[in-house]
Amino acid sequence: AQSVTQLDSHVSVSEGTPVLLRCNYSSSYSPSLFWYVQHPNKGLQLLLKYTSAATLVKGINGFEAEFKKSETSFHLTKPSAHMSDAAEYFCVVTPPGGGNKLTFGTGTQLKVEL
Amino acid sequence: DVKVTQSSRYLVKRTGEKVFLECVQDMDHENMFWYRQDPGLGLRLIYFSYDVKMKEKGDIPEGYSVSREKKERFSLILESASTNQTSMYLCASSYPGQTEGYGYTFGSGTRLTVV
Repeated sequence: AQSVTQLDSHVSVSEGTPVLLRCNYSSSYSPSLFWYVQHPNKGLQLLLKYTSAATLVKGINGFEAEFKKSETSFHLTKPSAHMSDAAEYFCVVTPPGGGNKLTFGTGTQLKVEL
Repeated sequence: DVKVTQSSRYLVKRTGEKVFLECVQDMDHENMFWYRQDPGLGLRLIYFSYDVKMKEKGDIPEGYSVSREKKERFSLILESASTNQTSMYLCASSYPGQTEGYGYTFGSGTRLTVV
């Protein structure tokens, strides 16, 4: 079965410094991968998606992620954190053969300090 | 602006009550989903539906049922609420095969407390 592992449950950065949220996936196929963000008291919003086209994916709000098959990773990065980036982030993978039952990671809480 | 609307933001119910959580989408999506979200566990799929009157169990269906009588509405039912069902419940919708396109559209969630 497919799965994703978010390596950090909490990440704390200073405003203006880079953000790195780590995600490793496990699958025997080429998955589609997503990052979602959830701000406090809000629903989940799609940040970006990888669907076997370019391995470097750009998303909203300056975030990007790189699909590395050799490392089975899909880490989320941003060059400079903003206070408004404080939220919970979820790495998500599709099931074998595509389909609609997404598997979510356990989430990484990002804290941005002044 | 497209929307998935969950009828209640906060809900408090007593143990043993029958609880209905409602979700409505205005995007004419075929697929609808119910997840529960718990700290440290991420989102876990309870049930999903790919058409009217069609449903499939997700990863944690025990203690829950669902109803989809109309395309736009997907209801989650807790037959006899228990304290371990205290959680945030999230509804989502998508077109078939949209996972390789735009992903899901989520509602804002219903935080259910069972006392």
